[in-house]
Amino acid sequence: GESVGLHLPTLSVQEGDNSIINCAYSNSASDYFIWYKQESGKGPQFIIDIRSNMDKRQGQRVTVLLNKTVKHLSLQIAATQPGDSAVYFCAEPAGSSGTYKYIFGTGTRLKVLA
Amino acid sequence: DTAVSQTPKYLVTQMGNDKSIKCEQNLGHDTMYWYKQDSKKFLKIMFSYNNKELIINETVPNRFSPKSPDKAHLNLHINSLELGDSAVYFCASSHGSGKMKQYFGPGTRLTVT
Repeated sequence: GESVGLHLPTLSVQEGDNSIINCAYSNSASDYFIWYKQESGKGPQFIIDIRSNMDKRQGQRVTVLLNKTVKHLSLQIAATQPGDSAVYFCAEPAGSSGTYKYIFGTGTRLKVLA
Repeated sequence: DTAVSQTPKYLVTQMGNDKSIKCEQNLGHDTMYWYKQDSKKFLKIMFSYNNKELIINETVPNRFSPKSPDKAHLNLHINSLELGDSAVYFCASSHGSGKMKQYFGPGTRLTVT
């Protein structure tokens, strides 16, 4: 749904620690999810995706976990670095397969503390 | 090589003016999008085009008129600009429809005074 009048949630993490960014989705029929990273002054950049037939998917230093029971998605970043500071969005296609519309979450700002 | 490019990067204009933002992708994708991001970073789809055809028009005022001269370009023209149009506009592209990652442009920051 839309986020109106909400402040962007912020997660502050010490450099070297692991980060966990959460996302709740509402459509139980959603079968594909994407995580994007948006650095200041730039467009969102693809990080990792996962399809609903998987519970977990790993990339380089990132892991996405999908819990369909509670409609929850999380992005884990291992050994967080200053370059990980950004706003992170989860996204899902709206509607049925073949849709050309994506719904983005409200975003979480990750701040990496030196 | 720039995958998705937008021009201009910054646009400052007065209320009532008409302006255009251009977008080009060199990825060979057949689907392109326009998104609006407000000051709270909320990202919302405005339009989707597939093979130059409008697929999604997300209840955007008809002052906004997208045009896709070919599959590699999707431009956005805005008439009679209003203060509330101030935002960052992102163009994106993907191969095919849903369940495919999108590639975003660098954004155009529009400020209406």
